[in-house]
Amino acid sequence: GQNIDQPTEMTATEGAIVQINCTYQTSGFNGLFWYQQHAGEAPTFLSYNVLDGLEEKGRFSSFLSRSKGYSYLLLKELQMKDSASYLCAVPNFKAAGNKLTFGGGTRVLVKP
Amino acid sequence: EAQVTQNPRYLITVTGKKLTVTCSQNMNHEYMSWYRQDPGLGLRQIYYSMNVEVTDKGDVPEGYKVSRKEKRNFPLILESPSPNQTSLYFCASSLGQGDGYTFGSGTRLTVV
Repeated sequence: GQNIDQPTEMTATEGAIVQINCTYQTSGFNGLFWYQQHAGEAPTFLSYNVLDGLEEKGRFSSFLSRSKGYSYLLLKELQMKDSASYLCAVPNFKAAGNKLTFGGGTRVLVKP
Repeated sequence: EAQVTQNPRYLITVTGKKLTVTCSQNMNHEYMSWYRQDPGLGLRQIYYSMNVEVTDKGDVPEGYKVSRKEKRNFPLILESPSPNQTSLYFCASSLGQGDGYTFGSGTRLTVV
């Protein structure tokens, strides 16, 4: 089976940095996705990591350690619009249909 | 513009009255899925399709039906809706196994 854990909620100040952790247990590993979801809206793709290390994309970076079953999403220079839920997800290649299993999401609240 | 289109965005209905939520994608994607999202439970897969006329159950298929008669369309059918199907529903599509999803805007369904 697959299990994904992330913190439920985090609060940070505008301009600061926040790190959202995700741990996973999977039978087989084929990469890890991060999605951003504003309240009541569709999740939107942020990043996909398949190899160990840090990938930077503007203010957002994502890190993966396959040996530790661990990833994090780093949000720098926080803006008010970054207030959203951040979802960690892993594909299950043993299941047909390109199934993505999602964590419960981390709600990030950015305060002025 | 590449997108997944769901309709309606909001729907209030009564118990037992059949309804269909439509989903259409214009990216020629093979894979399509339906997810429901509930507080504290995250995104859970209802049904998926790997191609025309190929569909299968996800994690929470009870009370739902789907069809895939054309590649672009993947409607979700609730034959006899019940209040426990009150939820936020997302249709999603992807190019292939291991690719990330593009999500529709969501359908907020309330069954009274």
